Amino acid sequence: SAVISQKPSRDICQRGTSLTIQCQVDSQVTMMFWYRQQPGQSLTLIATANQGSEATYESGFVIDKFPISRPNLTFSTLTVSNMSPEDSSIYLCSVGRQGDYGYTFGSGTRLTVV
Amino acid sequence: GENVEQHPSTLSVQEGDSAVIKCTYSDSASNYFPWYKQELGKRPQLIIDIRSNVGEKKDQRIAVTLNKTAKHFSLHITETQPEDSAVYFCAALRPNDYKLSFGAGTTVTVRA
Repeated sequence: SAVISQKPSRDICQRGTSLTIQCQVDSQVTMMFWYRQQPGQSLTLIATANQGSEATYESGFVIDKFPISRPNLTFSTLTVSNMSPEDSSIYLCSVGRQGDYGYTFGSGTRLTVV
Repeated sequence: GENVEQHPSTLSVQEGDSAVIKCTYSDSASNYFPWYKQELGKRPQLIIDIRSNVGEKKDQRIAVTLNKTAKHFSLHITETQPEDSAVYFCAALRPNDYKLSFGAGTTVTVRA
C-alpha cells in the first residue's frame, strides 16, 4: 500500500489565520481525499482532491474555507482558512488507486485554534 | 447518498471472548465494505474488507460477513486480546464516485 507523509503533525494557530497541510505519497495514486475527525467522532469527508482541476466538496464544506490543491498524482494540500476555534480537529488525507479501494490514511494533523 | 449505521457504539468484552460489530448501509449499489481500526492518537488502519460478490472473508482472528439482501455486514473478532482494544469503523464504498461513507465507530475494550 502507499506510504503517506502528512505535515505538519500538529499545530496551534491563532484565530483568523490560515494553515496549509501537505500530503505527499510515495507513488502515484488515483484518488486523494481530505477528511476531518473531531474528538471522539467518525471521519467526515471534506472533499475529493482532483488532479489538475478543482476539488469536489461535500455538503457543508466550501472552497473559500478549505481550498485544496493537487498539482500531480502524488501530492495535495488542504488549507484551513480564516480559522476559528470550531476548526480545531484532526485533518487526514487518504489515498487509493483505481480498483484498490482499501484506502490508506495519512497520520493526521492535529489542529488547535486559539 | 450512502448512509452507514454502526452498532454498538461501545463494546466491552472479557479477554478471550468474541466481539461482534454490525453495520447497515442504505445504497444497494455499494459494492465494497472495509473495516478500519483506529488506536488512540493514531491513523485509521484497514484490517479487513469484503466485496459484494463474497459472503464471508476471514483473516486469522477476524472475519467479516456480508448480507447484500439485508444490506448489512458484520465484523467478528474471536479470542480477543488486549491489543484489540481500539475504535473500529465500518465503511461502504459509493461506486459512482469511489467515496467511502463511514459508520459512527465502535469503541472496543478488552478486559484482561
